[in-house]
Amino acid sequence: GENVEQHPSTLSVQEGDSAVIKCTYSDSASNYFPWYKQELGKRPQLIIDIRSNVGEKKDQRIAVTLNKTAKHFSLHITETQPEDSAVYFCAAIPHASGGSYIPTFGRGTSLIVHP
Amino acid sequence: SAVISQKPSRDICQRGTSLTIQCQVDSQVTMMFWYRQQPGQSLTLIATANQGSEATYESGFVIDKFPISRPNLTFSTLTVSNMSPEDSSIYLCSVGQGYGELFFGEGSRLTVL
Repeated sequence: GENVEQHPSTLSVQEGDSAVIKCTYSDSASNYFPWYKQELGKRPQLIIDIRSNVGEKKDQRIAVTLNKTAKHFSLHITETQPEDSAVYFCAAIPHASGGSYIPTFGRGTSLIVHP
Repeated sequence: SAVISQKPSRDICQRGTSLTIQCQVDSQVTMMFWYRQQPGQSLTLIATANQGSEATYESGFVIDKFPISRPNLTFSTLTVSNMSPEDSSIYLCSVGQGYGELFFGEGSRLTVL
């Protein structure tokens, strides 16, 4: 089955700095890579995603990059703000093309943005 | 995105009892999953709820302990049976349309005394 490794487990930055979270996956059949943000006591929320036919995707201060050859993808947050503080989860999903699939999540990264 | 209603949002139960968690979606969805999340931990997949057939359980989870129903494309239940304090956790319903996107319910925080 799929295995997703996520690093670092904790990331502490100063407000305004950039933050990068990295994930690697093992199953070459994975073709969809979402990122979730989970604030304390809340449900995980999808913040950005990328499919295997794209190398990079950006949405305001958030971007995701994908290297299929190396089987890794990364979340980039620029100009971090205290409200970015949360736990971030990456996931890899094989065969996400209209059929059934099983998502595999990373272990999460606790991002702390200091004012 | 789908609107997911999960209940109860929290409950305190006595050991040895059972609790059923409900997940209702406002539209038909292809995939429904049940996750467990310990405080500060990642999301552990319990099972995939299959419409009209037995759920598909992940390693370490069995039907006798976590029976799941999915009578249609908008509703599923997870029962935590014969509870012990080790079952204290947050249980999350998740739905997807088949192209990978997942949306989560608010979660059910279970405490077993």
